[in-house]
Amino acid sequence: GAVVSQHPSRVICKSGTSVKIECRSLDFQATTMFWYRQFPKQSLMLMATSNEGSKATYEQGVEKDKFLINHASLTLSTLTVTSAHPEDSSFYICSGRGDTNEKLFFGSGTQLSVL
Amino acid sequence: GIQVEQSPPDLILQEGANSTLRCNFSDSVNNLQWFHQNPWGQLINLFYIPSGTKQNGRLSATTVATERYSLLYISSSQTTDSGVYFCAGSKAAGNKLTFGGGTRVLVKP
Repeated sequence: GAVVSQHPSRVICKSGTSVKIECRSLDFQATTMFWYRQFPKQSLMLMATSNEGSKATYEQGVEKDKFLINHASLTLSTLTVTSAHPEDSSFYICSGRGDTNEKLFFGSGTQLSVL
Repeated sequence: GIQVEQSPPDLILQEGANSTLRCNFSDSVNNLQWFHQNPWGQLINLFYIPSGTKQNGRLSATTVATERYSLLYISSSQTTDSGVYFCAGSKAAGNKLTFGGGTRVLVKP
């Protein structure tokens, strides 16, 4: 299957700082990227959908000014958690989908801990 | 939006056993996928299966689109099959997927 590289895998930060998470599609062009949040022992919760070169579409209840998503190229999407607070601590996962294929491929996830 | 229900929520298997996981949808879907999340959090796409039957090694999946359900079969389970299995679907191709709650599988040696 196609590969999506996600970094960092784990980050610990102080409350009030910003954290950037990167996702790169290594062997396909991800025209659409999805960002999810997952709490322990729960399912994936979609945060936003981004198409290359366009503004992201956020799910209801997700603050777009807090979770900044950039999808400037067909191989790179970033999620920036701005002014992080302890309640933002979670597992964040990206996934990509190409133009000609409906299959979704996931990054390895980022465990964010905000102190 | 559609609702996705998975059963059972938890499954404990002895190594070598077979099992069936089920996914029910509240509405018809044209895009249905199965994923495995390993204990470290990585999700792997197992099948894209909006209809019909597919096999990949010891795993196979069947989707009966007219009855809005899909089944994932694990045969001769191994400890590496442990993790959470998710199904996800959308009504139309190109739409975002709705995930089920997952089936947590533990395969004991």
